[in-house]
Amino acid sequence: NAGVTQTPKFRVLKTGQSMTLLCAQDMNHEYMYWYRQDPGMGLRLIHYSVGEGTTAKGEVPDGYNVSRLKKQNFLLGLESAAPSQTSVYFCASSYGSELEQYFGPGTRLTVT
Amino acid sequence: GNSVTQMEGPVTLSEEAFLTINCTYTATGYPSLFWYVQYPGEGLQLLLKATKADDKGSNKGFEATYRKETTSFHLEKGSVQVSDSAVYFCALFSGTASKLTFGTGTRLQVTL
Repeated sequence: NAGVTQTPKFRVLKTGQSMTLLCAQDMNHEYMYWYRQDPGMGLRLIHYSVGEGTTAKGEVPDGYNVSRLKKQNFLLGLESAAPSQTSVYFCASSYGSELEQYFGPGTRLTVT
Repeated sequence: GNSVTQMEGPVTLSEEAFLTINCTYTATGYPSLFWYVQYPGEGLQLLLKATKADDKGSNKGFEATYRKETTSFHLEKGSVQVSDSAVYFCALFSGTASKLTFGTGTRLQVTL
């Protein structure tokens, strides 16, 4: 039982490049989330999903896209990376929206 | 909208000292309140929670009481250990927003 895993752990991109972050969970959770963590700002929700095939915007969705083609996976895409997207990205999952969220170890992304 | 305010860190304590990390919130309705902890290099994990007024959440020697009259959920521990060194996040879940709102985090450093 691996919980929530994230791939990759670290990445450096040049401005304008694209990439996809992968999140996988083996707990059969319906809800999945993508957050970014920046110094002095806590965690901010980018996008979330309430079930396979569904996605919704969080508080900072601009510049990101997501897909939930399989229940266990939640992908976060950056189509054209910008330096403002330099951050640590966390994926999380939960059984229900009001219940405990389980977090992955994070992906540190630097955009130069 | 909903918001969570935490005391600025870092908080530096000697081992066996008493810990208080203040957290106040603004929310509509009757939110659930959480403390999450992030150890170095890891994702967040739930430390404790309280779902209604006057509830006390507790775990690993940490406690926090949901005070609706003061809109607070302060984290306390009677005797901290070096292993408690981490970043602590206060968060709330409001059904009207259907998402977690995090504070900015408070870094705790415990020294021998």
